[in-house]
Amino acid sequence: NAGVTQTPKFQVLKTGQSMTLQCAQDMNHEYMSWYRQDPGMGLRLIHYSVGAGITDQGEVPNGYNVSRSTTEDFPLRLLSAAPSQTSVYFCASSYSRSAGGGHEQYFGPGTRLTVT
Amino acid sequence: AQSVTQPDIHITVSEGASLELRCNYSYGATPYLFWYVQSPGQGLQLLLKYFSGDTLVQGIKGFEAEFKRSQSSFNLRKPSVHWSDAAEYFCAVTTGNQFYFGTGTSLTVIP
Repeated sequence: NAGVTQTPKFQVLKTGQSMTLQCAQDMNHEYMSWYRQDPGMGLRLIHYSVGAGITDQGEVPNGYNVSRSTTEDFPLRLLSAAPSQTSVYFCASSYSRSAGGGHEQYFGPGTRLTVT
Repeated sequence: AQSVTQPDIHITVSEGASLELRCNYSYGATPYLFWYVQSPGQGLQLLLKYFSGDTLVQGIKGFEAEFKRSQSSFNLRKPSVHWSDAAEYFCAVTTGNQFYFGTGTSLTVIP
């Protein structure tokens, strides 16, 4: 199993550009999520999905869009990039339909995004 | 809303010394608790987790953590630190569909 994969590893955008961060998992996990990691702030949840066709907002959803058309893929779209979105983005997945079921999340290697 | 506090931003220990990283959470019921480790430039790896039962849980790499309900704490410990343990450590809690992470503790190990 490849686990959780993310592409690209690095990306530089200009303000106002849009792009999609890709995330895929091959573990048949129902739950998938996106986080951003900023210095001194830990990981903050952007959006999450409990199954194909079901998504919901996390703590910091503004400026991001998601969809979940398949169990395997959970892309994150930046609609109009801003310097405040410069961050490291992590995708994660877990077995349980509800993360409250106690199953730990498996993380991808991250995407480092810089917006100039 | 749930919250997780890691009061120590940075800790330095000598190789071979013991280690304790603190984590406090805010939630009315017993949540599910986790410790993750992140090496530079890498994703997060699970060290251990607590759901219920024995309040002392064992993890990988010789780490353990103790859940103390009365103190709303879930501190991570290791009896003897190795140079390879230098990394960022995150405590996390979930009670439903959202995970909440602490701000992390950076561990430096000196020879």
